[in-house]
Amino acid sequence: GAVVSQHPSWVICKSGTSVKIECRSLDFQATTMFWYRQFPKQSLMLMATSNEGSKATYEQGVEKDKFLINHASLTLSTLTVTSAHPEDSSFYICSARPLRRGVTQPQHFGDGTRLSIL
Amino acid sequence: GESVGLHLPTLSVQEGDNSIINCAYSNSASDYFIWYKQESGKGPQFIIDIRSNMDKRQGQRVTVLLNKTVKHLSLQIAATQPGDSAVYFCAERGAAGNKLTFGGGTRVLVKP
Repeated sequence: GAVVSQHPSWVICKSGTSVKIECRSLDFQATTMFWYRQFPKQSLMLMATSNEGSKATYEQGVEKDKFLINHASLTLSTLTVTSAHPEDSSFYICSARPLRRGVTQPQHFGDGTRLSIL
Repeated sequence: GESVGLHLPTLSVQEGDNSIINCAYSNSASDYFIWYKQESGKGPQFIIDIRSNMDKRQGQRVTVLLNKTVKHLSLQIAATQPGDSAVYFCAERGAAGNKLTFGGGTRVLVKP
């Protein structure tokens, strides 16, 4: 259980293109999903918290107009990298935490999207 | 900002031996801790978690120890196997928070 699917797994595109990444919780509902960015040989850095039905909460230094987040349902959050440039190339990973009252639940992660901007 | 070119600490272990991976956390108010395993090109995979009201928790071949006095967390893997080769991250959650803060990671290499 607790499977998170992320799509696409790999994107190569030209500079200036906008790229949308989807994150789905397949067998559970999640009011909150999280978007991370990871550079090679480094840890995960939280970019934003995606809240179902409301605005995302961005971490300091993350441009909300650059990284658009939409969480329209309890099983889907999307991250759109707008007008992507080579410095946006990275490994983007989403996570979701099952909604269960009174029980602490770990975040479960998708398999990431490798974004390469030429 | 993000650092470039950090070198992950590496633990080399003989197949069949036990592994111990250590993590120092920063927030004394953190109430929940998780260990994740990340294989190359994949997302982190949940291994085991522990709440701050516990000091030890066991799973299948894994044990997590929490020492709140010195803000230290460890993951013990019994009878390490080649499939255990990966990068391991600890993560902490601040009290009453949603967010996880990840440690820098440790690479485990299992030698046959």
